[in-house]
Amino acid sequence: EPEVTQTPSHQVTQMGQEVILRCVPISNHLYFYWYRQILGQKVEFLVSFYNNEISEKSEIFDDQFSVERPDGSNFTLKIRSTKLEDSAMYFCASMREEVYGYTFGSGTRLTVV
Amino acid sequence: QKEVEQNSGPLSVPEGAIASLNCTYSDRVSQSFFWYRQYSGKSPELIMSIYSNGDKEDGRFTAQLNKASQYVSLLIRDSQPSDSATYLCAVLNQAGTALIFGKGTTLSVSS
Repeated sequence: EPEVTQTPSHQVTQMGQEVILRCVPISNHLYFYWYRQILGQKVEFLVSFYNNEISEKSEIFDDQFSVERPDGSNFTLKIRSTKLEDSAMYFCASMREEVYGYTFGSGTRLTVV
Repeated sequence: QKEVEQNSGPLSVPEGAIASLNCTYSDRVSQSFFWYRQYSGKSPELIMSIYSNGDKEDGRFTAQLNKASQYVSLLIRDSQPSDSATYLCAVLNQAGTALIFGKGTTLSVSS
């Protein structure tokens, strides 16, 4: 069964450093998303991306965040200057059509120290 | 702010019983609703989607939707210990650009 692949599975970074989280969505999917989940809290929407541009972003997705689809397969989330409160599990998701729902990757656990 | 509310639980049921999970949402114009299962430390996994008022069945799972009451529920029949997880209710926003999740209900099925 096709999967959404995320790398790395765990990343530790120093506060103030830039991190790039990588995702390979399912190949025939057209819609891409980033979500985060702080430990013990709910899954929070960050950004949606379609047709090479952002469709919607949440209040969390401020100027420190950016997304890119640099080629036909990868979808990346960049955090420019990480803060302690950015520590969370980051999930990438993709969707072909709404009726099938989102397929989530296994996540990247980001720890900012 | 569009909200999706769930009782965090834990909901404890014995093996073989019916587990009933509930969700309410605030955006009256929402049209698409999803239930996800999340095991501890894992990513959400889609169980069911529902779009029309009434019931939708898939194996041991039944989703129920009442748009007038802004209420979605998930019934799990013949609950198994492997069903022990957090169940997330998610509602697609009006623009269709984002799924909004509730906090989830933790289900514990004892053998």
